[in-house]
Amino acid sequence: GQQVQQSPASLVLQEGENAELQCNFSTSLNSMQWFYQRPGGSLVSLFYNPSGTKQSGRLTSTTVIKERRSSLHISSSQTTDSGTYLCAMELSSGSWQLIFGSGTQLTVMP
Amino acid sequence: GGIITQTPKFLIGQEGQKLTLKCQQNFNHDTMYWYRQDSGKGLRLIYYSITENDLQKGDLSEGYDASREKKSSFSLTVTSAQKNEMAVFLCASSIGKNTGQLYFGEGSKLTVL
Repeated sequence: GQQVQQSPASLVLQEGENAELQCNFSTSLNSMQWFYQRPGGSLVSLFYNPSGTKQSGRLTSTTVIKERRSSLHISSSQTTDSGTYLCAMELSSGSWQLIFGSGTQLTVMP
Repeated sequence: GGIITQTPKFLIGQEGQKLTLKCQQNFNHDTMYWYRQDSGKGLRLIYYSITENDLQKGDLSEGYDASREKKSSFSLTVTSAQKNEMAVFLCASSIGKNTGQLYFGEGSKLTVL
């Protein structure tokens, strides 16, 4: 089965609303990362988060390694937040690769 | 800061053709990666390289070759393009030491006629 489960698959918000995106992992992991993918393809790293909580502006990432889960909270969403959010995990085995989830497609309406 | 440059941005080929994608990075990163993304799906690793002249297969390496002649460049070859090869190919790099934070290029979109 899938090692990385992302939810929801898609989300539509009104500007100003908050969003909570989730990732659950089926195996042990060393760390995980959150990426934002612009319409058109390029990925931007949001957080490299071995564990705990990290904040950058309106974005907050919380990872609990022991519980194999991570969340991304977007507060006061803006139309420019629209795009796809991907989480990826680094396996404990040190296999030098990230396992990606299928992504959450976020649309923020004006 | 650095940048990852992928060429070409769009590549159109014929079924059965051999096609090459190139990637350059000026971060001075040790590790480089090629991922493939199919529409509406996450990324899957094709090849990675932890240093110059090193090559490691990912889960999706069959049907591809790769080459890391210099620290700054990593190329990917589709050995025989198939109709179901229409996808976006993404190059990335990281400083090394496990996986670390990844930095991605803009992507190369492949269409096979």
